[in-house]
Amino acid sequence: AQRVTQPEKLLSVFKGAPVELKCNYSYSGSPELFWYVQYSRQRLQLLLRHISRESIKGFTADLNKGETSFHLKKPFAQEEDSAMYYCVLNTGTASKLTFGTGTRLQVTL
Amino acid sequence: KAGVTQTPRYLIKTRGQQVTLSCSPISGHRSVSWYQQTPGQGLQFLFEYFSETQRNKGNFPGRFSGRQFSNSRSEMNVSTLELGDSALYLCASSLLGGAADEQYFGPGTRLTVT
Repeated sequence: AQRVTQPEKLLSVFKGAPVELKCNYSYSGSPELFWYVQYSRQRLQLLLRHISRESIKGFTADLNKGETSFHLKKPFAQEEDSAMYYCVLNTGTASKLTFGTGTRLQVTL
Repeated sequence: KAGVTQTPRYLIKTRGQQVTLSCSPISGHRSVSWYQQTPGQGLQFLFEYFSETQRNKGNFPGRFSGRQFSNSRSEMNVSTLELGDSALYLCASSLLGGAADEQYFGPGTRLTVT
């Protein structure tokens, strides 16, 4: 069965410091991977997906099939990045998301 | 365009009762998925509907059921409520429900079972 692991429940960094939120997955096929984010008092929303290979709000994530990882990175953290981040896996051909447990990112001055 | 809406937003029920939650997807979206979020288990997939048919199902007991109407609106029903069913229930919609599609989430329905 597929599984997503986010080892850190809480990650606290200073403003301007680099950020790396770790995500590892287990799935033997070709996965679709996403990062979803939930800002305070807002809905869960898509941040980025591996298939797009784009940078959103300065965040990037590279799929490493050899290490089965999809870590989220940003070179310089901003206060507005404080939120809950979920690494999400989808397999098969239709929608059935498997969520990691989430990492709360706290950016302090 | 209007986002995904869920009603009611809050609900308190007693053990043994049943409950129906409603979800209206974004206009034009044909896939609706349901998730349960609890502090202990996190976000777990319940089921997905597309064109009024259940296409995917998670590992939940048969007390959890759902349906989708021709206008893509969806309902989920939980019968014989248990204390452990207390959770935030999220609905998400997408255009076609493809594996790479972006899911748009609603605000959730907070169910408390006493």
